[in-house]
Amino acid sequence: SQTIHQWPATLVQPVGSPLSLECTVEGTSNPNLYWYRQAAGRGLQLLFYSVGIGQISSEVPQNLSASRPQDRQFILSSKKLLLSDSGFYLCAFYRAGSYNSPLHFGNGTRLTVT
Amino acid sequence: QKEVEQNSGPLSVPEGAIASLNCTYSDRGSQSFFWYRQYSGKSPELIMSIYSNGDKEDGRFTAQLNKASQYVSLLIRDSQPSDSATYLCAVNSGGGADGLTFGKGTHLIIQP
Repeated sequence: SQTIHQWPATLVQPVGSPLSLECTVEGTSNPNLYWYRQAAGRGLQLLFYSVGIGQISSEVPQNLSASRPQDRQFILSSKKLLLSDSGFYLCAFYRAGSYNSPLHFGNGTRLTVT
Repeated sequence: QKEVEQNSGPLSVPEGAIASLNCTYSDRGSQSFFWYRQYSGKSPELIMSIYSNGDKEDGRFTAQLNKASQYVSLLIRDSQPSDSATYLCAVNSGGGADGLTFGKGTHLIIQP
């Protein structure tokens, strides 16, 4: 079966520190991968998506970046966190080519920037 | 700009009654529609998918789609306290690779 793993579950980081969140998918090959952020009182905001290794599309200009070093691995990074980066970060996927399928989410990472 | 609108609530419904959640979307090219349930502090969980006009039933849940009116709804029959959560409406416009557009969600409270 297809599963998605995301870590860490919670993270508290000071302003100006770096960030690395990791997501991996099992049970499928060449998945489309997505990073969403959910800030308090706001909806899910698409940050990045990837249709293949090394292919990253950015939806929102900001101090975050994403990378896809392997087929089923998606990483969200920042060199210097801002207070406004606090939120619930969610990785998601659906099977390659199934663009009308629902997205399946990981358990999320709760990031608090202090 | 693709937009999905939902009433944020809270929507309070007595236990055993029908909860009705509504969603409108802006992109007429939208092809697939989803309802997710999100408990506080947890990730969204898919509960319904609908792709064509009309009703789709799954247990206590019924999704309704009207593409002409750009309107999607979710009915929950025999509401239970465990149904208390935020319900997110999501739309895939044009079947592209850029994921789903989500509404901000409706907070549903089922009163025992």
